[in-house]
Amino acid sequence: AQKVTQAQTEISVVEKEDVTLDCVYETRDTTYYLFWYKQPPSGELVFLIRRNSFDEQNEISGRYSWNFQKSTSSFNFTITASQVVDSAVYFCALSVWGAQKLVFGQGTRLTINP
Amino acid sequence: ETGVTQTPRHLVMGMTNKKSLKCEQHLGHNAMYWYKQSAKKPLELMFVYSLEERVENNSVPSRFSPECPNSSHLFLHLHTLQPEDSALYLCASSQGDRDQETQYFGPGTRLLVL
Repeated sequence: AQKVTQAQTEISVVEKEDVTLDCVYETRDTTYYLFWYKQPPSGELVFLIRRNSFDEQNEISGRYSWNFQKSTSSFNFTITASQVVDSAVYFCALSVWGAQKLVFGQGTRLTINP
Repeated sequence: ETGVTQTPRHLVMGMTNKKSLKCEQHLGHNAMYWYKQSAKKPLELMFVYSLEERVENNSVPSRFSPECPNSSHLFLHLHTLQPEDSALYLCASSQGDRDQETQYFGPGTRLLVL
């Protein structure tokens, strides 16, 4: 069975601070995919990134960066120089090869204060 | 329209009503999904359709009845719901290729059952 844990339920920082959202996953499959989604107050889940289990290269996209470490089964997400528009609930998710199913973590509610 | 659309965006219904939620994807995908998002619970997968065939049903009560007439449209028919069914119902779609399982979500329907 697969499991995703986002231990941080809520995080609140002041604008321009850097913030890291943690994600730990469990799976016995060797081929799997990890995702981050953003859910603003409007409700729609916005896809941010997808990584496969064979690619441990960290990725940077503007102010967003992701740190994938198989040794610790973690896929953490960092926002640099946070902005108020980054306020949302962020979900980490896992799917295994061949299964049309995403397993989500509980989500982390991020509030960026001006 | 682009992406995944859902109607209605908000719905209030009594326990004896019958209503339907509609989802349409404009991405040329072959798989569609229904998720339920309740307060303080992880996103729960309800149904998966691939090429218009149901491939997964996560022990969802029979008062929820999905329908997928073609690869672009997905419905969720609701009848005799309970107050605990109040939630955000999210539709998603994906390519359907086992190696391309990024799911793209619609804005959701906020359902309140009185």
